[in-house]
Amino acid sequence: GDSVTQMEGPVTLSEEAFLTINCTYTATGYPSLFWYVQYPGEGLQLLLKATKADDKGSNKGFEATYRKETTSFHLEKGSVQVSDSAVYFCALRLAYNTDKLIFGTGTRLQVFP
Amino acid sequence: EAGVTQFPSHSVIEKGQTVTLRCDPISGHDNLYWYRRVMGKEIKFLLHFVKESKQDESGMPNNRFLAERTGGTYSTLKVQPAELEDSGVYFCASSEQGYEQYFGPGTRLTVT
Repeated sequence: GDSVTQMEGPVTLSEEAFLTINCTYTATGYPSLFWYVQYPGEGLQLLLKATKADDKGSNKGFEATYRKETTSFHLEKGSVQVSDSAVYFCALRLAYNTDKLIFGTGTRLQVFP
Repeated sequence: EAGVTQFPSHSVIEKGQTVTLRCDPISGHDNLYWYRRVMGKEIKFLLHFVKESKQDESGMPNNRFLAERTGGTYSTLKVQPAELEDSGVYFCASSEQGYEQYFGPGTRLTVT
């Protein structure tokens, strides 16, 4: 069935380190892909998205490229800050007749000064 | 503009009791969704309302769960009777047709 797999956390980094959180998916057709972020005590926020192959989503220094050949949508940031500490969720939305989002398990990122 | 709000933020109940969760979507959003995250696993879709109609309820786990959206505004999700495996965080989201889903902060349900 349709699913999203992302790397387990927590990911622990020092400030200004490079971040990669891996995400791969299984889906029929051409889904849209998303990264959501949940800061402590808050709801999920859309961080970035890509709707077709080779699209690059970007926001707040984060980037992810829709790779259809590898069915991946890895999240990257060149220099993380303490304020980036949060849980990151990769998600997809199928292309046909549905609005529901299918999420991965989430990856907790902890950034220390 | 107010975001999606959920009430309560946290509920602790005993097995066999009833709990009702409430979601107030962003004003004007016809689409309302319920999701839940159980024990640190993935966030799973429960159901989708368009106005007051259930568009997709394929994710509802069993008939102990009842969702309503009378009048197409706020929605309630009732669990009756609650079981231990129902513990988790219940998220509500709303959207305009074809646009981004905006999520609430979630309700943490603990069944003891």
